[in-house]
Amino acid sequence: ILNVEQSPQSLHVQEGDSTNFTCSFPSSNFYALHWYRWETAKSPEALFVMTLNGDEKKKGRISATLNTKEGYSYLYIKGSQPEDSATYLCAFDNNNDMRFGAGTRLTVKP
Amino acid sequence: DVKVTQSSRYLVKRTGEKVFLECVQDMDHENMFWYRQDPGLGLRLIYFSYDVKMKEKGDIPEGYSVSREKKERFSLILESASTNQTSMYLCASRDKFYEQYFGPGTRLTVT
Repeated sequence: ILNVEQSPQSLHVQEGDSTNFTCSFPSSNFYALHWYRWETAKSPEALFVMTLNGDEKKKGRISATLNTKEGYSYLYIKGSQPEDSATYLCAFDNNNDMRFGAGTRLTVKP
Repeated sequence: DVKVTQSSRYLVKRTGEKVFLECVQDMDHENMFWYRQDPGLGLRLIYFSYDVKMKEKGDIPEGYSVSREKKERFSLILESASTNQTSMYLCASRDKFYEQYFGPGTRLTVT
């Protein structure tokens, strides 16, 4: 079983704080790394797909970086808002299937 | 828009019953997946399929089987439901440009 680890498991921040989480994954058989945002009672929603070492992606206040050689990715949220509250999942993709981490549950307090 | 649908949002079954969870996608994707989600464990892969009649075991296939008779439909079968299979089940399909699309999930309770 492939190990995809996410930390922290949960995070509580105040509105306006910037925050980041980590996803670590195996450095062999890498094809892509995915980030998803999962709100309660909804389907996971794709945020980013990253394939190249050194990739940086940005969507509004959310950005992500990728290091395939050392097997980690960071997700950053700048100026957190209450609507950012969700579970953030990363998934390691070996072009055959995807393995998910347990997620980081973010709560942003107004 | 890609659409992945699952046959039920909520399901309650008795121990020992045979349970079918259906998933349909409308985008002609070849790859389809079944996951279960439990608190603190994230999404765990049960089975996946990369073509009609093809299936591969994921990390936790025990107690489950799957069927892919048509490209758009991927069924998860619990041959004899047990209480430890109470969980949220998510189906997904994947396009050739990496992105995976999820259904709304089925919350199954086995009593």
